[in-house]
Amino acid sequence: DAKTTQPNSMESNEEEPVHLPCNHSTISGTDYIHWYRQLPSQGPEYVIHGLTSNVNNRMASLAIAEDRKSSTLILHRATLRDAAVYYCILFAIYNQGGKLIFGQGTELSVKP
Amino acid sequence: DTEVTQTPKHLVMGMTNKKSLKCEQHMGHRAMYWYKQKAKKPPELMFVYSYEKLSINESVPSRFSPECPNSSLLNLHLHALQPEDSALYLCASSRTERPGLNNSPLHFGNGTRLTVT
Repeated sequence: DAKTTQPNSMESNEEEPVHLPCNHSTISGTDYIHWYRQLPSQGPEYVIHGLTSNVNNRMASLAIAEDRKSSTLILHRATLRDAAVYYCILFAIYNQGGKLIFGQGTELSVKP
Repeated sequence: DTEVTQTPKHLVMGMTNKKSLKCEQHMGHRAMYWYKQKAKKPPELMFVYSYEKLSINESVPSRFSPECPNSSLLNLHLHALQPEDSALYLCASSRTERPGLNNSPLHFGNGTRLTVT
């Protein structure tokens, strides 16, 4: 299974943009890049995913490098509620279906 | 609130006990998952069920026995666990067996916190 590398922790100020990086140098051509986040005392929740092109949704934007070996999750205006562990995940397709294998994650703290 | 419901929220069991964790979803999802999460670590995949059939077992010890009685329910039967099995057990579901394709992300419950004494 291809792996992802993320910084252990990052800090942000409230209402400022946050760029969360992820390296995935062993990504294969069919692997999708997913981001989930886990707020304290909750299960993970889906944030965004993409394959090659940059993606936007109501929660965040995902910027994918041209060679696909890295990506960046962008939160446009961080709020205190965005404090969580953010996981960058490569989705691998197998004959039996698919597996989401979580990386180590980045713990994001947001200062008022 | 989450659309995937896990019960109980907390469970304490001895090493000789038999217990079960329950997970329920009513979103019509056809794939369901068990993950295990130790403190300060990422979730680790244990099992995947697709259309009520076990499709992936990540070499989980036999003291963990999954069961999918119907498309809405997923159980994890526990027997003869060890203290190192204490963890947060997360259940998830997705619309298809390929989460992330066709707009089918994983929906997680808030987990059962298991303590083995």
